[in-house]
Amino acid sequence: GAGVSQSPSNKVTEKGKDVELRCDPISGHTALYWYRQSLGQGLEFLIYFQGNSAPDKSGLPSDRFSAERTGGSVSTLTIQRTQQEDSAVYLCASSLGGGGKNIQYFGAGTRLSVL
Amino acid sequence: RKEVEQDPGPFNVPEGATVAFNCTYSNSASQSFFWYRQDCRKEPKLLMSVYSSGNEDGRFTAQLNRASQYISLLIRDSKLSDSATYLCVVNELRGYNKLIFGAGTRLAVHP
Repeated sequence: GAGVSQSPSNKVTEKGKDVELRCDPISGHTALYWYRQSLGQGLEFLIYFQGNSAPDKSGLPSDRFSAERTGGSVSTLTIQRTQQEDSAVYLCASSLGGGGKNIQYFGAGTRLSVL
Repeated sequence: RKEVEQDPGPFNVPEGATVAFNCTYSNSASQSFFWYRQDCRKEPKLLMSVYSSGNEDGRFTAQLNRASQYISLLIRDSKLSDSATYLCVVNELRGYNKLIFGAGTRLAVHP
């Protein structure tokens, strides 16, 4: 499809396990964002990638969270030693560029449940 | 104080009603503003951009008041399909489009 693709759509894991969430942005979009949305809350910014520039990691909540973007396209968000408070929907968005009036388009998200 | 604040609602209105949501933001340097719509268990989708003093798109009107740092969304002639959560979003443009999301206002339109 032409939209932002995320996988898996749902992930159930046990506390202490590592998880990897994948985002495939819209073709040609150079900017990629990860957000987290807890139940009944707004979206919380996690990390931003733009082309080959150093990412803005200022939103990552702890050093258990990391993200990579390979080849300027697909991104993977990794959560190590998951905790129950990590349970949330993880949303990825992409835009043509990082500035100006570029609109962010969202994927359907990965719903993570940590038991 | 939250960076973007919204009344969580829910707003329960009959079809055909006019409903308005307000949103306040704390950073006076914010550059641009948006309303996103989020259906239950779905991703947010852009509803409207608000760039200057406001704009209108069909039944939807967005207004910006920079002096008071608030944004409003007016929906006229509400439809059942308007039932959703409306997210107020502020772009702080920190070298890139850093979007700050409100927690959303829930709207339920009933027959």
